[in-house]
Amino acid sequence: KAGVTQTPRYLIKTRGQQVTLSCSPISGHRSVSWYQQTPGQGLQFLFEYFSETQRNKGNFPGRFSGRQFSNSRSEMNVSTLELGDSALYLCASSLGLADSTDTQYFGPGTRLTVL
Amino acid sequence: AQKITQTQPGMFVQEKEAVTLDCTYDTSDPSYGLFWYKQPSSGEMIFLIYQGSYDQQNATEGRYSLNFQKARKSANLVISASQLGDSAMYFCAMREGDDMRFGAGTRLTVKP
Repeated sequence: KAGVTQTPRYLIKTRGQQVTLSCSPISGHRSVSWYQQTPGQGLQFLFEYFSETQRNKGNFPGRFSGRQFSNSRSEMNVSTLELGDSALYLCASSLGLADSTDTQYFGPGTRLTVL
Repeated sequence: AQKITQTQPGMFVQEKEAVTLDCTYDTSDPSYGLFWYKQPSSGEMIFLIYQGSYDQQNATEGRYSLNFQKARKSANLVISASQLGDSAMYFCAMREGDDMRFGAGTRLTVKP
């Protein structure tokens, strides 16, 4: 069974630009969660999508948005990029059981650098 | 409030020895799940092991075992017979319903 895939793996953008990251979950998984990881802040939850609906949202500004398609693939968009958005963005997929047994499986991440 | 605490920013272990990575958690929910992930320098978070709050026995997966002490609210990861490839960041996480929280991580270095 194929794992979680994320594209692109690396991105370099300049301040003010926008970026779209893509995540394809494990087949059969209906939940996709996005995380931002930086050395200073650690792993921070952005949002979770389940069946094309945002189910949970972290504490990030509205410049960060996402969506999920009917095939469970998800995209994350960051508009008006800032230097502080430089980070590893991780996507995780799970069955979406919304109970304590639901295990998240992560993709390789997209490393975004904002210049 | 911090729900997951990993008190060891860094740990060293000699190759072939066992090592314990600490994790404590805070919850009033009787139903929760505890997870450990490994993150090598490549960046991908690799799921290692899961322990449910109602599980009577400690979880084991190959060289990984979870020392679950419910009354103390601790879920320490034990890696037996360390290998050089075990050098990585290790994250403890807890799930309550649809809420998943991660600790700050412990960097493990295995010495040859």
